[in-house]
Amino acid sequence: DGGITQSPKYLFRKEGQNVTLSCEQNLNHDAMYWYRQDPGQGLRLIYYSQIVNDFQKGDIAEGYSVSREKKESFPLTVTSAQKNPTAFYLCASSIDGAANQPQHFGDGTRLSIL
Amino acid sequence: AQSVAQPEDQVNVAEGNPLTVKCTYSVSGNPYLFWYVQYPNRGLQFLLKYITGDNLVKGSYGFEAEFNKSQTSFHLKKPSALVSDSALYFCAVRKGYSSASKIIFGSGTRLSIRP
Repeated sequence: DGGITQSPKYLFRKEGQNVTLSCEQNLNHDAMYWYRQDPGQGLRLIYYSQIVNDFQKGDIAEGYSVSREKKESFPLTVTSAQKNPTAFYLCASSIDGAANQPQHFGDGTRLSIL
Repeated sequence: AQSVAQPEDQVNVAEGNPLTVKCTYSVSGNPYLFWYVQYPNRGLQFLLKYITGDNLVKGSYGFEAEFNKSQTSFHLKKPSALVSDSALYFCAVRKGYSSASKIIFGSGTRLSIRP
């Protein structure tokens, strides 16, 4: 079955450490997104990519970095500059990034501070 | 600036009764509106969308939503609730015609269906 796979499901970060969250999709979608979900705040966009080798900052990009070297992969690195990284991180994709297309989501990675 | 509001943090309904989850939006131009559902520790699942045309949109699992342009609302409805409908529901809005426009999510409404 086609879908989006996020790994790991749970991740713990030590102070001063960078960690990378994986997101892989086999839907052949061009556009991919990273969101952060905090209780009571809905989803906030971190980064998005509409095509390979191109990505744009979202509303809360500070302390995060991404790459898009392959169509199916869009990893997110949470750097030590992100002082409050504890959250549920969701990766999503859509066919072509057009405004009328729904997004398909992975099952998330829960990141916590040690 | 575009925004979306879900005025109720929680909605409680008895099984078999109709349910409504409210959503209002603010966006200039033509909005694209979406509803998603999230079960615990899972990602969001797409339920339905309004792009243009008929104001009543039918989606997955028996849900439907009514677009009301004058009231700038897009309420989610279901005629008869099931216990399995208990979940977190998100309304989202995106400005039409622009692939560069970002989708804005509401803060979510927790739907609880009691047996």
